[in-house]
Amino acid sequence: DAGITQSPRHKVTETGTPVTLRCHQTENHRYMYWYRQDPGHGLRLIHYSYGVKDTDKGEVSDGYSVSRSKTEDFLLTLESATSSQTSVYFCAISDRNQPQHFGDGTRLSIL
Amino acid sequence: DQQVKQNSPSLSVQEGRISILNCDYTNSMFDYFLWYKKYPAEGPTFLISISSIKDKNEDGRFTVFLNKSAKHLSLHIVPSQPGDSAVYFCAASAPGVTSYGKLTFGQGTILTVHP
Repeated sequence: DAGITQSPRHKVTETGTPVTLRCHQTENHRYMYWYRQDPGHGLRLIHYSYGVKDTDKGEVSDGYSVSRSKTEDFLLTLESATSSQTSVYFCAISDRNQPQHFGDGTRLSIL
Repeated sequence: DQQVKQNSPSLSVQEGRISILNCDYTNSMFDYFLWYKKYPAEGPTFLISISSIKDKNEDGRFTVFLNKSAKHLSLHIVPSQPGDSAVYFCAASAPGVTSYGKLTFGQGTILTVHP
């Protein structure tokens, strides 16, 4: 959908392990975003990127890091996963004056 | 501090009638508002948006109204169809170069349209 692929789509892992989620786009859009969705909170912005190697923190960035070494890929890393990071993670892309388009999400469970 | 609030967790309407979904915000810097629709196991899909220089925007069956003085926006769906059953999120953003497009979402409202 809108040229966005998130991988993996589902992952179960244990507390304390590192986890990396990948967002890949084929639209050549400048802006990329990572959100998490939790009941009662809607979607909350974790980190975003406004260009290659240009990233900034969002509302709930603690415990997460990101990297963007090329336009098409935006990686989200949980250095040491905790149970509170169990969530559904969405990647979004946009260009100037365009609404954000979302991938289909990654369901992450941390036991 | 929830800057965008959707106070109705759910809404149930009959097919053919009007659905009205509401959203309130507290940050007066917000100048662009969007509505997204989300089906289970899919990502949110953009529905309609409105800039703060307008008070109404219409696209087919969907109309968004913005009341800046009340910091309130609403989405009207007329007529409602069973396929409109989904979770609806309102979102808002503030201007700025590096903050461009950073969206703050409400909690969502589950709309159910009964045949």
